[in-house]
Amino acid sequence: QSVLTQPPSASGTPGQRVTISCSGSSSNIGSNYVYWYQQLPGTAPKLLIYRNNQRPSGVPDRFSGSKSGTSASLAISGLRSEDEADYYCAAWDDSLSAWVFGGGTKLTLL
Amino acid sequence: QVQLQESGPGLVKPSETLSLTCTVSGGSISSYYWSWIRQPPGKGLEWIGYIYYSGSTNYNPSLKSRVTISVNTSKNQFSLKLSSVTAADTAVYYCARQAYYYDSSGYPTPDWFDPWGQGTLVTVSS
Repeated sequence: QSVLTQPPSASGTPGQRVTISCSGSSSNIGSNYVYWYQQLPGTAPKLLIYRNNQRPSGVPDRFSGSKSGTSASLAISGLRSEDEADYYCAAWDDSLSAWVFGGGTKLTLL
Repeated sequence: QVQLQESGPGLVKPSETLSLTCTVSGGSISSYYWSWIRQPPGKGLEWIGYIYYSGSTNYNPSLKSRVTISVNTSKNQFSLKLSSVTAADTAVYYCARQAYYYDSSGYPTPDWFDPWGQGTLVTVSS
């Protein structure tokens, strides 16, 4: 059972927009930054979004992050085949004094 | 650009100690936080702990009694030791660099994980 809650799966067709949610509490998302990581099959996770809504250089602007209260979302617009991956949210938890991750969302293109 | 590479035994016996090293190339280990994260087969990510280049550490409370992370700045490496392992510790182990920002009290606060090493699978089995 992960501290941050994500839907286990999401899907969309090429060109479509999809959002992935991440739900937490006041001790993590509610009081700290949210980060998103993309893990392509068989590879290490890669930073996608940092500090709620910032994109590292090289990450397409099709990817965007937002946060409201104790929840966060990752939006992917103009879906492409290379976006098929697992997506994880993460945040620091003040109560646990630990970094916590969501359980991951597997994105499938239909 | 900075690259990280994990190394160590791929098979560890139950009750023994898992030992891994992460070698940092293309940049200095001095400055930044350095973390270990693991991923059991088919499952999600779990943060194990981090070390600041100065040597201060912070461990996941769920693993704290069994974890030691150390740094060797002269070799540009940091290491993980996990004692008394069981089958539940079977996972791909990643090392990662953590950036930091200064909070309102001027304390360097860990930020995003990037880059990551490619990961190494450690299996706990007799």
